[in-house]
Amino acid sequence: SAVISQKPSRDICQRGTSLTIQCQVDSQVTMMFWYRQQPGQSLTLIATANQGSEATYESGFVIDKFPISRPNLTFSTLTVSNMSPEDSSIYLCSVAYPGNRYEQYFGPGTRLTVT
Amino acid sequence: AQTVTQSQPEMSVQEAETVTLSCTYDTSENNYYLFWYKQPPSRQMILVIRQEAYKQQNATENRFSVNFQKAAKSFSLKISDSQLGDTAMYFCAFMNRASGTYKYIFGTGTRLKVLA
Repeated sequence: SAVISQKPSRDICQRGTSLTIQCQVDSQVTMMFWYRQQPGQSLTLIATANQGSEATYESGFVIDKFPISRPNLTFSTLTVSNMSPEDSSIYLCSVAYPGNRYEQYFGPGTRLTVT
Repeated sequence: AQTVTQSQPEMSVQEAETVTLSCTYDTSENNYYLFWYKQPPSRQMILVIRQEAYKQQNATENRFSVNFQKAAKSFSLKISDSQLGDTAMYFCAFMNRASGTYKYIFGTGTRLKVLA
């Protein structure tokens, strides 16, 4: 298994500003994902951030709005840029291990409120 | 397109009883993985159980077991001897490695409440 931490755990931001969310893993991992989740709803994949390659974004998500960095095998950041109230959500990072039957592990999430 | 359907938005079960959560999926792939995740009210998502599609034997993890019906594309979760701590959202998820991508697709979730 993996221990994943996210910072901040929650934040309240004004519209038009940007927030960078950090994801730290306690072991080296290639596959990392960023999701968005509305409270009580399912997960929506924002992008896949594998180390050594550019992040791959899902339909409806663009790099200018959600830039991602993956400088090494234990760390990643997701920035939510030029925020609007529609960006209020929970943002989750996760990792997966191909060598462990693709089990996916999740961070505790970052609860973002945009006012 | 690959989809995962959980047709039960909410369920409840008495403590110590057994409950089954349903999940169906749609894919044309033959080699894939299926998972059940639990998300308690505290929010952290936890892996409950996984199943490789090439394995016919149903996976079990203590009180949790699955009924994997590949031909029917069905992957239900059975929770035996339900405990109050089982109260959570449960998500069914599908993953395959088609075209070298690794994408996990989640269902809409089932909110399970265990009653004392």
